[in-house]
Amino acid sequence: ETGVTQTPRHLVMGMTNKKSLKCEQHLGHNAMYWYKQSAKKPLELMFVYNFKEQTENNSVPSRFSPECPNSSHLFLHLHTLQPEDSALYLCASSQGGTGESYEQYFGPGTRLTVT
Amino acid sequence: DAKTTQPTSMDCAEGRAANLPCNHSTISGNEYVYWYRQIHSQGPQYIIHGLKNNETNEMASLIITEDRKSSTLILPHATLRDTAVYYCIAPRGGKLIFGQGTTLQVKP
Repeated sequence: ETGVTQTPRHLVMGMTNKKSLKCEQHLGHNAMYWYKQSAKKPLELMFVYNFKEQTENNSVPSRFSPECPNSSHLFLHLHTLQPEDSALYLCASSQGGTGESYEQYFGPGTRLTVT
Repeated sequence: DAKTTQPTSMDCAEGRAANLPCNHSTISGNEYVYWYRQIHSQGPQYIIHGLKNNETNEMASLIITEDRKSSTLILPHATLRDTAVYYCIAPRGGKLIFGQGTTLQVKP
């Protein structure tokens, strides 16, 4: 138990569906992250939020839309995905703030399959 | 991130020390070295980090060479549950960049 929870743990969706992934951290952190891990590939950073403000968008297609309503919650809204978007989506949090904090705590991930 | 180089895979006998090397010859003077691991189909787990002094915590020890061009992560008594991919990262710019890491297989 890392203090970061993600729901759902598994999701199967069609290409025309809209779904959302949820992440919640109970660590009092101020920075939250979305990563994507495709099969046999390294983790790829998607988005970074620091104090609810998006500070990084790593050239992610617009069919992925993040939302950070407060420092404890992070969502990833999905629409019109492609089969190649099937992957493990991981959320992480860290202390955040003005200093660089690389001690990140990850959730268990959502295994997404796009059919 | 400064580029890091790790062996693709390693084996270790259960109960023995696992020594995982990492080269980071381009690391700059104020860049830390971080280690994470990822057990199959789980999220990565932070292990330890250091700048130039050796570090130890309840999970592992980190030995950094004096010239800081390489480091070794030591799991003193490896168990089967330590089987995972281990990532050595020298981050900068607010981002962790995960490479392919070292797949450590602990064998009974």
